[in-house]
Amino acid sequence: KAGVTQTPRYLIKTRGQQVTLSCSPISGHRSVSWYQQTPGQGLQFLFEYFSETQRNKGNFPGRFSGRQFSNSRSEMNVSTLELGDSALYLCASSLVGGQGGTEAFFGQGTRLTVV
Amino acid sequence: GQNIDQPTEMTATEGAIVQINCTYQTSGFNGLFWYQQHAGEAPTFLSYNVLDGLEEKGRFSSFLSRSKGYSYLLLKELQMKDSASYLCAVRDMTGGSYIPTFGRGTSLIVHP
Repeated sequence: KAGVTQTPRYLIKTRGQQVTLSCSPISGHRSVSWYQQTPGQGLQFLFEYFSETQRNKGNFPGRFSGRQFSNSRSEMNVSTLELGDSALYLCASSLVGGQGGTEAFFGQGTRLTVV
Repeated sequence: GQNIDQPTEMTATEGAIVQINCTYQTSGFNGLFWYQQHAGEAPTFLSYNVLDGLEEKGRFSSFLSRSKGYSYLLLKELQMKDSASYLCAVRDMTGGSYIPTFGRGTSLIVHP
């Protein structure tokens, strides 16, 4: 059974640009959550998608958005990049997620560097 | 919002037992998780507690007391490969959303 796949693994972007990250969950998992991890703030929840709908949302500005497709694959978009957006972006998949979610499986992450 | 506290760093000897504590403050508690993260790798799930008591899974156990806002992760028969960061995360219901909030992690160093 394949794990959670995130692409690309590494990305360098310039301030002001936008970026799209991709996450393919474990087959059969319908919940995909996105996280930002930085040395200064630790691991922070961005949002969760379930059945193509954003179900839960953390405290990030509107520049951070996402979507989920009918095959449960998810994309995350960050517009008007700032230097502070440099981070490891992780996605996690689970069977149901949300209120009832217990175990989540993380991908290896996308390391985004904004210059 | 939430406040999650766990020690920054702990050291222990191979073969020993170590307990990593986590305290939290939340208004809509909906579960507590422990994750292990080795340097440069993704977090891996260790345990989930939503009711008070002890959950045992092999060498790892996790305890929860909701009334005290307290949890611990107990690691027995420590091995060198257990050297990693251990993240405590609390999920709560805030403004209609179920949000997991992570502590800053406890870096565990296991030495021979």
